[in-house]
Amino acid sequence: NAGVTQTPKFQVLKTGQSMTLQCAQDMNHNSMYWYRQDPGMGLRLIYYSASEGTTDKGEVPNGYNVSRLNKREFSLRLESAAPSQTSVYFCASRDLGQGVREAFFGQGTRLTVV
Amino acid sequence: AQTVTQSQPEMSVQEAETVTLSCTYDTSENNYYLFWYKQPPSRQMILVIRQEAYKQQNATENRFSVNFQKAAKSFSLKISDSQLGDTAMYFCAFEDTGNQFYFGTGTSLTVIP
Repeated sequence: NAGVTQTPKFQVLKTGQSMTLQCAQDMNHNSMYWYRQDPGMGLRLIYYSASEGTTDKGEVPNGYNVSRLNKREFSLRLESAAPSQTSVYFCASRDLGQGVREAFFGQGTRLTVV
Repeated sequence: AQTVTQSQPEMSVQEAETVTLSCTYDTSENNYYLFWYKQPPSRQMILVIRQEAYKQQNATENRFSVNFQKAAKSFSLKISDSQLGDTAMYFCAFEDTGNQFYFGTGTSLTVIP
């Protein structure tokens, strides 16, 4: 079972460069999320998509954009990378049906902006 | 906004012993879900256990159990018979009625042989 797949796993960018983090899930989940993880700060929500065709801002959306391409895919774009965006990024998905609440996570993308 | 507090940045336990990780949260809601996630060095986030706020009975999953005190807004995780594979970062998470997850800052647990 693939679950949630993120690409790439590692990336180094120069300040000002752009890139897109890809995420795909094969569990037919409606909701998808992007988090960033920083030391001492846990996971913070960047953007989420409750269902195909909808996206909403989370706690730390500045500097990011997202696209819910279809039910399976949810991408995160950095238009002009900044050193403050150096972090580990996680994509997650979940089904909000009765009795199933847990989020399934990808393996993360370690992004370094120099 | 909801907040989740894990006041123990680091903890250690001897193999085969029991350890308890603490978590408190702040909310005005009555119906919600609570979770503990484990993140080993591989970075993969793994669900350990979950608790529905409307259930008074504490959740248990093999060696993992919780002490859920709704009035005190406390949700601690007890790991019994600790194993080396339990070494990981543990995150407490709260889900509100808007279906948003809020994570604590994590507790790094080391199991000592």
